Amino acid sequence: AQKITQTQPGMFVQEKEAVTLDCTYDTSDQSYGLFWYKQPSSGEMIFLIYQGSYDEQNATEGRYSLNFQKARKSANLVISASQLGDSAMYFCAMRGTGGSQGNLIFGKGTKLSVKP
Amino acid sequence: NAGVTQTPKFRVLKTGQSMTLLCAQDMNHEYMYWYRQDPGMGLRLIHYSVGEGTTAKGEVPDGYNVSRLKKQNFLLGLESAAPSQTSVYFCASSWDWETQYFGPGTRLLVL
Repeated sequence: AQKITQTQPGMFVQEKEAVTLDCTYDTSDQSYGLFWYKQPSSGEMIFLIYQGSYDEQNATEGRYSLNFQKARKSANLVISASQLGDSAMYFCAMRGTGGSQGNLIFGKGTKLSVKP
Repeated sequence: NAGVTQTPKFRVLKTGQSMTLLCAQDMNHEYMYWYRQDPGMGLRLIHYSVGEGTTAKGEVPDGYNVSRLKKQNFLLGLESAAPSQTSVYFCASSWDWETQYFGPGTRLLVL
């Protein structure tokens, strides 16, 4: 069965520093997609970044980058130059396959707190 | 563009009551989804639709029904609400199996 594991329930980072949020996944499929979403205290889910399993380069979107290590089955999110507005829950997710292709399988999330 | 909108934002029900949650998207997406989020957990898929007139079960479909009569709308129904259905419900939509865009969520409390 497919699974997403986020081992850091909470993280602290100093403003303007970089932070890495860990995500490992388990799948036997060759083709899959990995996503990161941000959920601020207001509750909405905001798409941040996507990595396809066949993408050779790590995905980047502004201050967000995804450190994709396929052999280790990890897809860590790196936020550079943290800002106070980055304080939120962050969820790693993987697209399901086969009959569950529409299913985004989520980890339990990491709560990031940015200190001024 | 409003993106994905959900109605209502918050609702309190008594056990056994019924209600319908409405999701609307203006991005012309084919695929739409309903998730629930419980404390300490990520989102779990309830039902989804790959086009107008089609629906399919997700991970936790029991106690819910859905309909997709129009491409832009996806309705989630609770026929007989139970306290276990207290949750935050998110609707999402996408062009295909890739990036899903979420609505703001609906907080449901079942007493």
